[in-house]
Amino acid sequence: DSGVTQTPKHLITATGQRVTLRCSPRSGDLSVYWYQQSLDQGLQFLIQYYNGEERAKGNILERFSAQQFPDLHSELNLSSLELGDSALYFCASSVGAGAGTGELFFGEGSRLTVL
Amino acid sequence: GNSVTQMEGPVTLSEEAFLTINCTYTATGYPSLFWYVQYPGEGLQLLLKATKADDKGSNKGFEATYRKETTSFHLEKGSVQVSDSAVYFCALSGLYNQGGKLIFGQGTELSVKP
Repeated sequence: DSGVTQTPKHLITATGQRVTLRCSPRSGDLSVYWYQQSLDQGLQFLIQYYNGEERAKGNILERFSAQQFPDLHSELNLSSLELGDSALYFCASSVGAGAGTGELFFGEGSRLTVL
Repeated sequence: GNSVTQMEGPVTLSEEAFLTINCTYTATGYPSLFWYVQYPGEGLQLLLKATKADDKGSNKGFEATYRKETTSFHLEKGSVQVSDSAVYFCALSGLYNQGGKLIFGQGTELSVKP
């Protein structure tokens, strides 16, 4: 158990809909990261928040948005869903904001299926 | 741009065989290098890491050496077990102005047969 909690574990919805994925980081971790894992794209970095502020941004679509709340949990909002958004979405957390020497702790992921 | 390239899978080995999974990277600056492992139905977990050139990371019988001259970080294990069956990801981090994000390779699936 990594200590990172993601909900829901599975989600099935229709094209055009909007969903929210939730992540609670490990106790004491200030950074939250979101990744998308799909068969054709692999693991793609979406966005990082550190202590409530956006820290780094990847190839996140404009239809997607995220935020980190004062209690450090984070939400990833996906709107106007398309079939190609079907993927496993991982949240990870770490103590610091960068430096690259710290370990990221991953949750078990939220599997989104868009029909 | 910054990227990681891994050997394609799946890799199928017999128990006790020697394992090598190749990983090369492209990066500006001096990244830290990692191997993460993903067991079926689980999230990724850190297997080992190296933060500077010539460092060797090791854990659970797995090893990888940070080779700056060949920009490589190949994963090796002398004798694999069925329980090592998983997907292995090479990754880099620590680049300037990139926050703490990891850039992953495409993953290599390992299947170990008894």
